[in-house]
Amino acid sequence: AQTVTQSQPEMSVQEAETVTLSCTYDTSESDYYLFWYKQPPSRQMILVIRQEAYKQQNATENRFSVNFQKAAKSFSLKISDSQLGDAAMYFCAYRSLGQGAQKLVFGQGTRLTINP
Amino acid sequence: KAGVTQTPRYLIKTRGQQVTLSCSPISGHRSVSWYQQTPGQGLQFLFEYFSETQRNKGNFPGRFSGRQFSNSRSEMNVSTLELGDSALYLCASSETGALNTEAFFGQGTRLTVV
Repeated sequence: AQTVTQSQPEMSVQEAETVTLSCTYDTSESDYYLFWYKQPPSRQMILVIRQEAYKQQNATENRFSVNFQKAAKSFSLKISDSQLGDAAMYFCAYRSLGQGAQKLVFGQGTRLTINP
Repeated sequence: KAGVTQTPRYLIKTRGQQVTLSCSPISGHRSVSWYQQTPGQGLQFLFEYFSETQRNKGNFPGRFSGRQFSNSRSEMNVSTLELGDSALYLCASSETGALNTEAFFGQGTRLTVV
């Protein structure tokens, strides 16, 4: 079974600075998807960015980018120019391509605080 | 398009009772998944429905069940509630259930069992 580990329960960063959230995962599969989701106090999970394992190029979405290291099974999220609205719980998630393809396996989350 | 709608938003039940939660997916979405979120266990997959059929199931006891209707709306039911069932229950819908489709989440139902 796949597992996802986020080793940083909490992180904080000054507004406008850059922060990196860590995620490692364990799988025996060669193809899969990885995601970062944001959960603000409103509780709704919002997709931040996703990465297909077969793509070597790291995904980017505006101020959000990932560092995907497939051999190391590492998938970190970098947030540049942090804004107050970025404060939330961030979850790393894995999705298989095989049977059970719609099942997301989540890490325990990292609570990100933005200091003004 | 309206987003994923979960009702009710909050629920308080007594141990031993049963509860039904509802999820209306985004129009046109046929896949609906359910997750349980607790501080201790985090986010755990319950089950997924696609075109009225349960396609995948997580490791939860048989007290947790679900169904999907022809309009893709889904319900999950928990019977004989236990204190440990207190959690945020999240529903996610996706367009076809295919691999490259994004899952959109609702705001969840906060269930408290007393």
